[in-house]
Amino acid sequence: KQEVTQIPAALSVPEGENLVLNCSFTDSAIYNLQWFRQDPGKGLTSLLLIQSSQREQTSGRLNASLDKSSGRSTLYIAASQPGDSATYLCAAINAGGTSYGKLTFGQGTILTVHP
Amino acid sequence: DAGVIQSPRHEVTEMGQEVTLRCKPISGHDYLFWYRQTMMRGLELLIYFNNNVPIDDSGMPEDRFSAKMPNASFSTLKIQPSEPRDSAVYFCATGLAGPDTQYFGPGTRLTVL
Repeated sequence: KQEVTQIPAALSVPEGENLVLNCSFTDSAIYNLQWFRQDPGKGLTSLLLIQSSQREQTSGRLNASLDKSSGRSTLYIAASQPGDSATYLCAAINAGGTSYGKLTFGQGTILTVHP
Repeated sequence: DAGVIQSPRHEVTEMGQEVTLRCKPISGHDYLFWYRQTMMRGLELLIYFNNNVPIDDSGMPEDRFSAKMPNASFSTLKIQPSEPRDSAVYFCATGLAGPDTQYFGPGTRLTVL
């Protein structure tokens, strides 16, 4: 059974800092890995999707990396802004069998960027 | 496109009542997922459909929960009878293919008193 863990559970940084959010998963047989953002009281917005054959994906100030062999992914946020404050969730997408396509989520990292 | 539409956005009910949550997927998306989010357990997949057919319902907590997708543009998640421990935010998500990006609705916040 796939298990996804995110560290840290919460992070508070001053505006302008670069930061790294960590995600680990137990079953390396994933199809891809996805990072989401969730604002309070809202749904999830997809930030980055990394295919299992890829090492990283970039979108603006965000960069996500994937190391399947070690079961780890990181989300790097450059030059953080108060608007980045949200909960960040990573999700592993299973590759085969009856679990094909299932998203298993971590518990999330609550990020606060203060001015 | 309006995105994934869920209704109601908030539901407050009393224990023992039937609750029906609704989801309208993005047009053309052939995968539909129902998730539940709680503080204790985080986001959990309850059930998902492909082309209106339930593929995996192993996450459905018990027989009180049922989900249907009568056509490509509508799905329901029903809880009967509801219990206080069912209080959570229920999300519907849809996508074009199982492993690819899923688009989430705004969720239904359910409170069972």
